[in-house]
Amino acid sequence: DAGITQSPRHKVTETGTPVTLRCHQTENHRYMYWYRQDPGHGLRLIHYSYGVKDTDKGEVSDGYSVSRSKTEDFLLTLESATSSQTSVYFCAISGASGRNEQFFGPGTRLTVL
Amino acid sequence: DQQVKQNSPSLSVQEGRISILNCDYTNSMFDYFLWYKKYPAEGPTFLISISSIKDKNEDGRFTVFLNKSAKHLSLHIVPSQPGDSAVYFCAASAYSDMRFGAGTRLTVKP
Repeated sequence: DAGITQSPRHKVTETGTPVTLRCHQTENHRYMYWYRQDPGHGLRLIHYSYGVKDTDKGEVSDGYSVSRSKTEDFLLTLESATSSQTSVYFCAISGASGRNEQFFGPGTRLTVL
Repeated sequence: DQQVKQNSPSLSVQEGRISILNCDYTNSMFDYFLWYKKYPAEGPTFLISISSIKDKNEDGRFTVFLNKSAKHLSLHIVPSQPGDSAVYFCAASAYSDMRFGAGTRLTVKP
């Protein structure tokens, strides 16, 4: 299994509070991704990174920001959480873009009350 | 807009029979297609992939077929086993843009 961990695994928070989710990899892969999974939508890309300090927006980036200061860590921040951001969040890594499979972390279940 | 669609939310098959999961896409720029399998409370795991220059790729019990003219791909599992019960996502990529379908829940009955 690819070495990917996510923390926390579960979080309950209140509307308007900031939340940061962490993804940590030990594979030294260049690409890292944040997805959210919602019923009826599958997995939707929020942001991705193609190197340290190099990030770009995905399909559903509004309300989210990311940072990557080290190869192994990719942080997802909800500046002011809303109930619509209640979801399961998955981090993924890949050694190359596009034509390579992505390896996923175990997920973080976030509930915004 | 959903560029990758899995129109069957669920599928139930008998152990030993064939499972066929379908996926349609709309973006002709997609040139690489993948299937992922997901168990509850776990992240998706890669199953099999196919490049747009091929129309079939086989790996053990799993075969993926691609019909570019119809913008359709399918995953065949033969024979199906109870351990195959999971949610299956198809995905399509064009360079760094990867899109996933909503998933199909497969149940294989003993």
